Amino acid sequence: GNSVTQMEGPVTLSEEAFLTINCTYTATGYPSLFWYVQYPGEGLQLLLKATKADDKGSNKGFEATYRKETTSFHLEKGSVQVSDSAVYFCALRPSDGQNFVFGPGTRLSVLP
Amino acid sequence: DTEVTQTPKHLVMGMTNKKSLKCEQHMGHRAMYWYKQKAKKPPELMFVYSYEKLSINESVPSRFSPECPNSSLLNLHLHALQPEDSALYLCASSTTDYNEQFFGPGTRLTVL
Repeated sequence: GNSVTQMEGPVTLSEEAFLTINCTYTATGYPSLFWYVQYPGEGLQLLLKATKADDKGSNKGFEATYRKETTSFHLEKGSVQVSDSAVYFCALRPSDGQNFVFGPGTRLSVLP
Repeated sequence: DTEVTQTPKHLVMGMTNKKSLKCEQHMGHRAMYWYKQKAKKPPELMFVYSYEKLSINESVPSRFSPECPNSSLLNLHLHALQPEDSALYLCASSTTDYNEQFFGPGTRLTVL
């Protein structure tokens, strides 16, 4: 079946540190991949996406590259800010058009 | 208009009450979703409406009753809920089934 695995949190970083949140997936075919962010007390916001292998999604300084060979879609940011503190969900949309599959989420805390 | 709105933001209800959650989008999307999210967990899909017809019901108890009056509106009618139904209820929409989903801010429901 389809599944998404994310690194366990919480992740605590100092401001301006480099961020990596690992995401790997299991799916048949060529799923679309997404990162969503959820700030405290809010709904989910689409952060970035990639729809085919080697695509790089980017937004607000965050980047992730769709790696078919390693079935990964790791989220990176060069310099985090306190305002990036949130929960980050990796998700996939299977190529057969079925339900989104969300990872468990990774909580990020950025300290000033 | 590029957002999904939900009302109310917070709701407290007793186990014998009847209440409704409302979701609205004006992006011309033809698929709308209800999710339930417990603390520190990813969203769980409850219902999917496609072109105003219920297409997915993820084995949700009958005390939750969805309704899609038109392509812009989605309601979730609540009756005889249990305390374990307390959660954040998220609405989302997409252009068609399972394309990238845009989420509303959610309704925080507490059942006493």
